[in-house]
Amino acid sequence: ETGVTQTPRHLVMGMTNKKSLKCEQHLGHNAMYWYKQSAKKPLELMFVYNFKEQTENNSVPSRFSPECPNSSHLFLHLHTLQPEDSALYLCASSPPGGSTDTQYFGPGTRLTVL
Amino acid sequence: GENVEQHPSTLSVQEGDSAVIKCTYSDSASNYFPWYKQELGKRPQLIIDIRSNVGEKKDQRIAVTLNKTAKHFSLHITETQPEDSAVYFCAASEARQLTFGSGTQLTVLP
Repeated sequence: ETGVTQTPRHLVMGMTNKKSLKCEQHLGHNAMYWYKQSAKKPLELMFVYNFKEQTENNSVPSRFSPECPNSSHLFLHLHTLQPEDSALYLCASSPPGGSTDTQYFGPGTRLTVL
Repeated sequence: GENVEQHPSTLSVQEGDSAVIKCTYSDSASNYFPWYKQELGKRPQLIIDIRSNVGEKKDQRIAVTLNKTAKHFSLHITETQPEDSAVYFCAASEARQLTFGSGTQLTVLP
């Protein structure tokens, strides 16, 4: 286990629902990331937070809304999703200092949109 | 932005043989190249990484080589075992942002 946890592990939601994904790390890392992993596609970076500040938003639709209240917690708020948003959503974090590029992943949330 | 190409997409080897996976990248500013292993239903796990000031790095049966001039890097697994079966992803990073390749499904046949 890498110390990055995600809840829930599985989520099924309708297109009109609102739900949130949670990521937590207590590794002392200061950057956190959201990725989308779809079948047959590379991992897609969605959002990056450094020291709680969002530094990257890779053209992600507004139906995905991130929140980073502190350097240990990261949320992804979901609303009015589409079936094509069904995927594995992975959270990652990286440490300060010399190994700032090294990212450690959580187990992911398997999302199914009906 | 960065673009990472990974080949092959699937690879089958006999147990005990070697496996090689290759990646190319486009941004010469990228300076960090990790490799992740993802078993079915599990998280990607870092298995080895290399920085641009090094040409080769080895960790037991796993090695990575980097050719900065040609902008390609490779993962080498020797004496493969059934537990090496997984999807392997390469990535390239500049300023803390990883761009991933599309993955290689490695199957080690007993």
